[in-house]
Amino acid sequence: EDQVTQSPEALRLQEGESSSLNCSYTVSGLRGLFWYRQDPGKGPEFLFTLYSAGEEKEKERLKATLTKKESFLHITAPKPEDSATYLCAVQAGAYKGTASKLTFGTGTRLQVTL
Amino acid sequence: GAGVSQSPRYKVAKRGQDVALRCDPISGHVSLFWYQQALGQGPEFLTYFQNEAQLDKSGLPSDRFFAERPEGSVSTLKIQRTQQEDSAVYLCASSAGTEGPFSIYFGEGSWLTVV
Repeated sequence: EDQVTQSPEALRLQEGESSSLNCSYTVSGLRGLFWYRQDPGKGPEFLFTLYSAGEEKEKERLKATLTKKESFLHITAPKPEDSATYLCAVQAGAYKGTASKLTFGTGTRLQVTL
Repeated sequence: GAGVSQSPRYKVAKRGQDVALRCDPISGHVSLFWYQQALGQGPEFLTYFQNEAQLDKSGLPSDRFFAERPEGSVSTLKIQRTQQEDSAVYLCASSAGTEGPFSIYFGEGSWLTVV
C-alpha cells in the first residue's frame, strides 16, 4: 500500500527565515510526486510534479527536490503570503494508458509571521 | 472555463437526504478524479474516470456513493441516504493525460454538512 508521511505537521517561521518541508514516501513504482498548496476553504493549488530521483523544480521562493525515498520543499526567505498547508502526494505505476490515484499525506501547516 | 468548477460550493443536507455534487473539469481533460477531504486531513481518493469510463471506484466508502460521467465531460457524485459521517469536502480534479508528464488540477470543492 502506498504511504506518504509529511513532517513537520506544523511550522512557524519568521519572514525571511528559510526552511524545508519533508515528504517521505513508500510506493510501488513511482510515477510522479506532486506538491500542492492549500489555503483555508480552498481546493489544493498545483505547484510541482517531480518524476525521477535527482529532479528539481523551482517557482518563486519554492524549490522542490526528489530522492528515491523522499521529497523536500525548500522555502527561501518566506513571506506572510506563503502561509498555507502544503500537501504532498504520490502517484504509483498503473496499467499503460490509464492514470492512477494520488495518495496524499496529511500536510504541513506553515505560518509565516512578520 | 479556465479551471475545474464545482457546484454547489456549500450544501447542508438532512440525514437521510440524497445529494448530488457536480464537477465541470477543464475543457478537453481526459482524466477526472473525485476525492473526499476531512478537516485537517489530506484528500482521500474516491473514484477515477478516463473519459466516460469509470476505471477505478475502489475508494467509494459504501454503495450509497455513486459517480457518473456519461459524456466524458461533466461528472456527478451522488450520495444516497446521507449520514453524518459523510460530512466533508468533496474535491474534483482533472488532468489532460493519462500517463507521462501532466499536472492534476483541483476545483474549490463542495462542502457537505449533514445534520
